[in-house]
Amino acid sequence: EPEVTQTPSHQVTQMGQEVILRCVPISNHLYFYWYRQILGQKVEFLVSFYNNEISEKSEIFDDQFSVERPDGSNFTLKIRSTKLEDSAMYFCASNGGQGAQGQPQHFGDGTRLSIL
Amino acid sequence: AQSVTQLGSHVSVSEGALVLLRCNYSSSVPPYLFWYVQYPNQGLQLLLKYTSAATLVKGINGFEAEFKKSETSFHLTKPSAHMSDAAEYFCAVSLYSSASKIIFGSGTRLSIRP
Repeated sequence: EPEVTQTPSHQVTQMGQEVILRCVPISNHLYFYWYRQILGQKVEFLVSFYNNEISEKSEIFDDQFSVERPDGSNFTLKIRSTKLEDSAMYFCASNGGQGAQGQPQHFGDGTRLSIL
Repeated sequence: AQSVTQLGSHVSVSEGALVLLRCNYSSSVPPYLFWYVQYPNQGLQLLLKYTSAATLVKGINGFEAEFKKSETSFHLTKPSAHMSDAAEYFCAVSLYSSASKIIFGSGTRLSIRP
């Protein structure tokens, strides 16, 4: 079964540094998402992306965050200047191929981001 | 606005016993509802989904959930718990199944006693 893949599985970064989290969504999907889960808390929506532009973003997704689909397969989340509170598990998800209505989002295994 | 409330952050049952994880939702329009499971150090796996068809939804691993509009509930059940069911379970709601964010509940950790 096709799956969403995320790299790296664990990223350790110094505070203030830029980090890029990478995702390869399922190949025929058209809608892409990022979520995050701070340790011990619920999964929170960050941003959705369709047709090469942001569809919706949460209040968490401020100017330090950006997303990009640089080629036909990758979907990236960039955090420009990381803060301690950015430490979390970041999940990529995708859905929406042919006959998109009724399709749930498929999630990757996540990237654990640790800010030192 | 949509929201999901999961009652009980931790549920513990004996192996072979009934599993019941509670979820109530709030939505101004008919929602799509999901249950996801998260095993330790893994991602979110879809257990089942409700998309306005049958109100009793069967999922993987013997789980099922019933959509009750009058009670705004979507509780998850399994007749007989197995040790491998120990995980975190998330109820979630969305307006549409594509191109729309998922709102997750706070999760319920299910423990299985031998």
